[in-house]
Amino acid sequence: QKEVEQNSGPLSVPEGAIASLNCTYSDRGSQSFFWYRQYSGKSPELIMFIYSNGDKEDGRFTAQLNKASQYVSLLIRDSQPSDSATYLCAVAGLIIQGAQKLVFGQGTRLTINP
Amino acid sequence: EAQVTQNPRYLITVTGKKLTVTCSQNMNHEYMSWYRQDPGLGLRQIYYSMNVEVTDKGDVPEGYKVSRKEKRNFPLILESPSPNQTSLYFCASSLIGVARGGYTFGSGTRLTVV
Repeated sequence: QKEVEQNSGPLSVPEGAIASLNCTYSDRGSQSFFWYRQYSGKSPELIMFIYSNGDKEDGRFTAQLNKASQYVSLLIRDSQPSDSATYLCAVAGLIIQGAQKLVFGQGTRLTINP
Repeated sequence: EAQVTQNPRYLITVTGKKLTVTCSQNMNHEYMSWYRQDPGLGLRQIYYSMNVEVTDKGDVPEGYKVSRKEKRNFPLILESPSPNQTSLYFCASSLIGVARGGYTFGSGTRLTVV
């Protein structure tokens, strides 16, 4: 089982709709959870992080975390064509010898159709 | 501007010719890391460093070397590149204990080994 799993997609959503991206993780000791957006050929850009159960909202983005189910999701409301990108889920575990490693999922490719 | 700077952006080289990809950050981050990104395999960690003179292997270290002589710089060295090292490489940095801030990524280096 992979440490962090995402559906690779592609996920196609009409403009203006809600895009829902999902991620599961295997390490119950995981503490922090991140969503990165990556445009083709570009570097990953941090868009959300969450570390407590529940929802965290930032503009059109909402991250949801359920530690009991080892599940984290990202909702994008009022989807725009500029949201078309690959979304990477990343999970941080315990700090070992001062280092806290981020483990990335393979990413979900999202396409917003005008 | 807070950033991670990688050079070069693009590099085509021949098998066996030593090369160095440079990485520099201006955020006084302790933690620096190198990743490679390949289609279908996601981001995989090559090496990381927790501070000056402290480095350790990631998940795919074979064929790579790193050094951390100064806090701001973390070069990636390929002593004898091979075609299977053709990939998109990212340098990333963070404060120790990444829980709140995640990683900041450089803009990437696309390496082709022929």
